[in-house]
Amino acid sequence: QEQLVESGGGVVQPGRSLRLSCAASGFNFNNDVIHWVRQAPGKGLEWVAATSYDGSNTYYAGSVKGRFTISRDNSRNTVYLQMNSLTAEDTAIYYCARDLRISPGYRYMDVWGKGTTVTVS
Amino acid sequence: EIELTQSPATLSLSPGERATLSCRASQSIRTYLAWYQQRPGQAPRLLIYHASNRATGIPARFSGSGSGTDFTLTISSLEPEDFAVYYCQQRSTWPPEFTFGQGTKLEIK
Repeated sequence: QEQLVESGGGVVQPGRSLRLSCAASGFNFNNDVIHWVRQAPGKGLEWVAATSYDGSNTYYAGSVKGRFTISRDNSRNTVYLQMNSLTAEDTAIYYCARDLRISPGYRYMDVWGKGTTVTVS
Repeated sequence: EIELTQSPATLSLSPGERATLSCRASQSIRTYLAWYQQRPGQAPRLLIYHASNRATGIPARFSGSGSGTDFTLTISSLEPEDFAVYYCQQRSTWPPEFTFGQGTKLEIK
């Protein structure tokens, strides 16, 4: 069963840092683009970042550029999101999602984790 | 930056009825549009990609259409589990930035 499981969320003070993890199982993770998407309480979806299959290319939303870093360790089937200088506006459920496997990629997201909650307060 | 506007914000229908949800892009995105369903307390689920292709395991009552700036998600006959929030999504040219519509809540009338 293809699965993504996020962890690392919690309550953190403004200005502090937090690192989220996204562990994959049930599929060959090493070939997949992975995204982070967040959802503030009662709000819609906001794309945060994406990493290429090998981590050599990373992309960010303007709202997090310079503060967040996406990375991956394919030997551990895990993607990370390092979040620095957190503000109340970063409070959200953070989901990781796999990019749909169609050429040329970087289009849609077909496998999602259940999310991990980050509260900045 | 391309914006996606969904309408209506809320749609009240009964099981068995037909639902029509709209998503309008601020400029042409050809057919590069997806639809997601999000039930309360759950992660989003991909329904439709490339405007009209059903994702794996999605029932045939879900269909997507449109191109350019105007897109539609149709649910032919609503089942109880279809009452949820629906989002459309697209990606800008390059470097990629992904945007979602604000969502349409489909509620039971």
